[in-house]
Amino acid sequence: DAKTTQPPSMDCAEGRAANLPCNHSTISGNEYVYWYRQIHSQGPQYIIHGLKNNETNEMASLIITEDRKSSTLILPHATLRDTAVYYCIVSGNNRKLIWGLGTSLAVNP
Amino acid sequence: GAVVSQHPSWVICKSGTSVKIECRSLDFQATTMFWYRQFPKQSLMLMATSNEGSKATYEQGVEKDKFLINHASLTLSTLTVTSAHPEDSSFYICSAPGPTATGELFFGEGSRLTVL
Repeated sequence: DAKTTQPPSMDCAEGRAANLPCNHSTISGNEYVYWYRQIHSQGPQYIIHGLKNNETNEMASLIITEDRKSSTLILPHATLRDTAVYYCIVSGNNRKLIWGLGTSLAVNP
Repeated sequence: GAVVSQHPSWVICKSGTSVKIECRSLDFQATTMFWYRQFPKQSLMLMATSNEGSKATYEQGVEKDKFLINHASLTLSTLTVTSAHPEDSSFYICSAPGPTATGELFFGEGSRLTVL
C-alpha cells in the first residue's frame, strides 16, 4: 500500500473549517483514500473514503486532487469534540490498513 | 452504522496470568475481524486477522502461542493474552469490515490492559 504523509499537528478555532492535508504521491490506480480519526483512549472512527471523485457525508468532505497525489479532509464547522488524531490511509481494500502517526488536531474555543 | 463492542474496556492483571478480550459485532455478521495493538503515542499495529471457522493469520513478529485468537462464531472473536508480562501492557483494539470490500472498518472501543 502507498505511504501517506501528514503534518503531525494542527490547530483550529471552534466553528471554523478544519482542513487536514495528506500527501500520497505513490498512490496506485486501484487504491482508495481512507480517513479515520481516534479520540483519546477510544477505538478509531471511520470518517470518509474516496477513489477519484470528491466525497461528502454528514461528517466531512474529502477533496482529492486530479492527479490523486494528495487529498484534504475538511471538517466544515469544527467543534471541541472534533479534537482527535486524524489518520489518512491509502489502500486497495479495507483489510490490512497501514496506520501512520496521523495529524493531531486541536480545536480551540 | 454497524456496531462492534469490546469487553472488558480495561483490565489489570498480575504478571503470568492470562487475559481474554472479547470482540462482538452487534448487528452484523463478521467472518473476518482484525486485532490491533497500540502503545502510548504510537499508531495502531495490526497483530492478526481472525477468520471465522479457521485459524487466525498473524502478522510478522506476533507470537501466535502468546496471543491466542478464536473466532468461533460470526459475531464473536476473542483474543487471549497468555502468561502476560508488563511489556504486554497496551491498548488492544478489534475491528470488523462492513459489507463491501472497499468500505469502512468498524472498530471496537478498545481494551486497555495493564500487567503488574
